[in-house]
Amino acid sequence: NAGVTQTPKFQVLKTGQSMTLQCAQDMNHNSMYWYRQDPGMGLRLIYYSASEGTTDKGEVPNGYNVSRLNKREFSLRLESAAPSQTSVYFCASSDRGSYGYTFGSGTRLTVV
Amino acid sequence: KNEVEQSPQNLTAQEGEFITINCSYSVGISALHWLQQHPGGGIVSLFMLSSGKKKHGRLIATINIQEKHSSLHITASHPRDSAVYICAVRSNGGSNYKLTFGKGTLLTVNP
Repeated sequence: NAGVTQTPKFQVLKTGQSMTLQCAQDMNHNSMYWYRQDPGMGLRLIYYSASEGTTDKGEVPNGYNVSRLNKREFSLRLESAAPSQTSVYFCASSDRGSYGYTFGSGTRLTVV
Repeated sequence: KNEVEQSPQNLTAQEGEFITINCSYSVGISALHWLQQHPGGGIVSLFMLSSGKKKHGRLIATINIQEKHSSLHITASHPRDSAVYICAVRSNGGSNYKLTFGKGTLLTVNP
C-alpha cells in the first residue's frame, strides 16, 4: 500500500543511548517532515526537508539530527537520548502541487 | 497565543447527535487541514481546504478565509467517530509546506 512507513513502532532507550528512526514514502513527494506529539500540546515540527538534498530546523530541533538519504527516505537520529525526548514521533510527507499531506503510523519512544 | 486555536478541547455527545468543532487561526494561510487521530493510532487526513466547503460521507468541513475560521461538522455521530480531531494550517508564502497544528479536540460519542 502506498504511504509513509515508519520504523520502529515502539522503542525504549536508556538515557544516553542513541537511535535512528526510519521513514520512507513511496508517493514521490518532495517534502518530508518529522514531528513530535506530547500530551496537551499540538504536534511540533522537529526538522523538515523541503526537497531532496535540503534539510532545515523546525520548532524543536535540539537533540536531534536528520538525513534526507534520497527522495524516499528521511531519518531522524537521537545521538544521546534524554527523558525529555520521550514522545510519539510522526513522519509525514507532502506534495508541493496538491498540498496533500500523509502521515506515518508513529513511533512511541520512551527514554528511561 | 497559539496561532491555531480549537474549541472545544473536549466534547462528549450521544450517538446520533450533530457535532461541530471549531478552528480559528491568526495568520494568512494557503490551506487548512482537518486530521483525525484514534487513541494510540496514527493520523489520518480528513480534509484539505483553501476555500468554501467539502463533504465526505457524514463529515463536512467549511472555511471562512475572511474571518480566519473553519468548522468540522459530523452528522449522525457514531461511537466509531470517537477520536481526536486536529486542525492544522499551512501559512502563506515561503518554499516549505510546514503545518502549524492546533492542540486537538477530543470527541467521545457514547452509544
